[in-house]
Amino acid sequence: EAQVTQNPRYLITVTGKKLTVTCSQNMNHEYMSWYRQDPGLGLRQIYYSMNVEVTDKGDVPEGYKVSRKEKRNFPLILESPSPNQTSLYFCASSRTGMNTEAFFGQGTRLTVV
Amino acid sequence: GQQVMQIPQYQHVQEGEDFTTYCNSSTTLSNIQWYKQRPGGHPVFLIQLVKSGEVKKQKRLTFQFGEAKKNSSLHITATQTTDVGTYFCARSTNSGYALNFGKGTSLLVTP
Repeated sequence: EAQVTQNPRYLITVTGKKLTVTCSQNMNHEYMSWYRQDPGLGLRQIYYSMNVEVTDKGDVPEGYKVSRKEKRNFPLILESPSPNQTSLYFCASSRTGMNTEAFFGQGTRLTVV
Repeated sequence: GQQVMQIPQYQHVQEGEDFTTYCNSSTTLSNIQWYKQRPGGHPVFLIQLVKSGEVKKQKRLTFQFGEAKKNSSLHITATQTTDVGTYFCARSTNSGYALNFGKGTSLLVTP
């Protein structure tokens, strides 16, 4: 089954404790991206990757890092999480990124206390 | 990035009533995509519009792209409780490699 898999689905952590949210897709998509969703603000793009070893900032990249060492994986790293990073996070992939539909993961609800 | 504006933010209808959400941009769009997110779920792609004046239908859903390619609409005829969720429009950025989403319209349908 074609899918984008995120882990964990839920996470509560403390301020400053590094964490990684994993994202994997099995559709051989070149393009992957991360979004955060907050009430009243919709979906905002954090980072995206056009291919292996090619990443770029989205609209809200501060406090986040990403890497794309393999085509299927695109982890989101929070080196020092803060409470304002409490949010619902979605990973997405698409075939090329150019005018093609995005497939979203199930989401990761992160709470930073 | 340049966002698209969606209105209304919320809509509450009785089952069987029609529903429309609008997506507007101050600049010309190369395309517009629509997604639906059920409560507690993730966004799911519905459709993409590319051509000026394009109209596409999916059962009770009708999608339109404006002649000037600066606005789009999603119309649902005779809503059902299964239509509940948030509907997002999204535009490609100038590079084409990113999507900017509107803030969404949350639809509530009561039986």
